[in-house]
Amino acid sequence: GQNIDQPTEMTATEGAIVQINCTYQTSGFNGLFWYQQHAGEAPTFLSYNVLDGLEEKGRFSSFLSRSKGYSYLLLKELQMKDSASYLCAVDRGSTLGRLYFGRGTQLTVWP
Amino acid sequence: DAEITQSPRHKITETGRQVTLACHQTWNHNNMFWYRQDLGHGLRLIHYSYGVQDTNKGEVSDGYSVSRSNTEDLPLTLESAASSQTSVYFCASSGVVGTGGREQYFGPGTRLTVT
Repeated sequence: GQNIDQPTEMTATEGAIVQINCTYQTSGFNGLFWYQQHAGEAPTFLSYNVLDGLEEKGRFSSFLSRSKGYSYLLLKELQMKDSASYLCAVDRGSTLGRLYFGRGTQLTVWP
Repeated sequence: DAEITQSPRHKITETGRQVTLACHQTWNHNNMFWYRQDLGHGLRLIHYSYGVQDTNKGEVSDGYSVSRSNTEDLPLTLESAASSQTSVYFCASSGVVGTGGREQYFGPGTRLTVT
């Protein structure tokens, strides 16, 4: 089975830094994805981690610790447009390309 | 540019009717997926396909079927629509294993209401 947990909601102010955590317990692991989903829109790919450590992409960074079953998405210099749901998803590797999604973290950025 | 499209974008149907949602991708991806998204549940996998003539059940497949006759299309059929199937449906595709991260690309979604 699989269990992927992330906080339901978070709030932050413009210009701040926010860290969204994701913990997972899965039978098999072949990478972890973060997606962003604005209200009424499709999820869009943000990042992929398969090795331990930090991956940086502009204002967004994603970290993975496989031994701890833990990842986080770090958003810097928050902007109003970053208000969205952030989805953590795990590739268990046992079935090609199938992802298991957490329920998402709704981030609200205040001015 | 390659893309993935869904139609219709909005659909209202009556209980008991058969409904088919279309998904078309021009990425030339082998893998295609159907999800439903409901408040409190996140994305749940309905069916998926790893290539032509291949289909597999996901975690919430009851009442749904798919067929894969070509690479580009994976239509989702609700055999006899029920109110519990009111939801937003997303189609996604991803590339062949071995091309790095197997990120999925999502279509714009179909909002289905069953009355």
